[in-house]
Amino acid sequence: SSELTQDPAVSVALGQTVRITCQGDSLRSYYASWYQQKPGQAPVLVIYGKNNRPSGIPDRFSGSSSGNTASLTITGAQAEDEADYYCNSRDSSGNHLFGGGTKLTVL
Amino acid sequence: QVQLQESGPGLVKPSETLSLTCAVSGYSISSGYYWGWIRQPPGKGLEWIGSIYHSGSTYYNPSLKSRVTISVDTSKNQFSLKLSSVTAADTAVYYCARVGGYLELYYFDYWGQGTLVTVSS
Repeated sequence: SSELTQDPAVSVALGQTVRITCQGDSLRSYYASWYQQKPGQAPVLVIYGKNNRPSGIPDRFSGSSSGNTASLTITGAQAEDEADYYCNSRDSSGNHLFGGGTKLTVL
Repeated sequence: QVQLQESGPGLVKPSETLSLTCAVSGYSISSGYYWGWIRQPPGKGLEWIGSIYHSGSTYYNPSLKSRVTISVDTSKNQFSLKLSSVTAADTAVYYCARVGGYLELYYFDYWGQGTLVTVSS
């Protein structure tokens, strides 16, 4: 099916490591990209492809993929990482799919 | 630095057509890339609407395809969205973005700030 599934909410203690996952059939053929969105702001690309970070994105953000699952890992989460995170990929028909989003709380 | 800026009416009546424009600066649309529209209803997630290449080639979300038209004006370095027969369910923040990548990797690397469009009489 042409869907990407994310856990609605995840929490992490300050300074600890958290993994946010995204599942979907399209991920077997296309890489995921990940976006961070803070309240009232536009989404920001944080990871794309195998494990690429745009300029300005801290290296505590990393990505990985296996089978139909893509993951975004934050190593040493900071208070400013509290946000919604969305995965995205393209499917074989040329459509772009977004996951439902994961709300990350940093405790 | 690539910048995108959405513009258009913030209020549209039910059954009418929503029209938005995205002005691009810092990069010539004619040089390449796909350019897309994404929307986000209040309190909900992101939904891809469609994308267009500078040549005019388009992809549309199947769930919106019957109501959506995306066009490009390379002379003005901008692209536009039209969504017909709107209802309250089309109330959302509308974003424009550049689509980077190729082959098996695509991503939205530059985004506009977004514009809220409310559908109400």
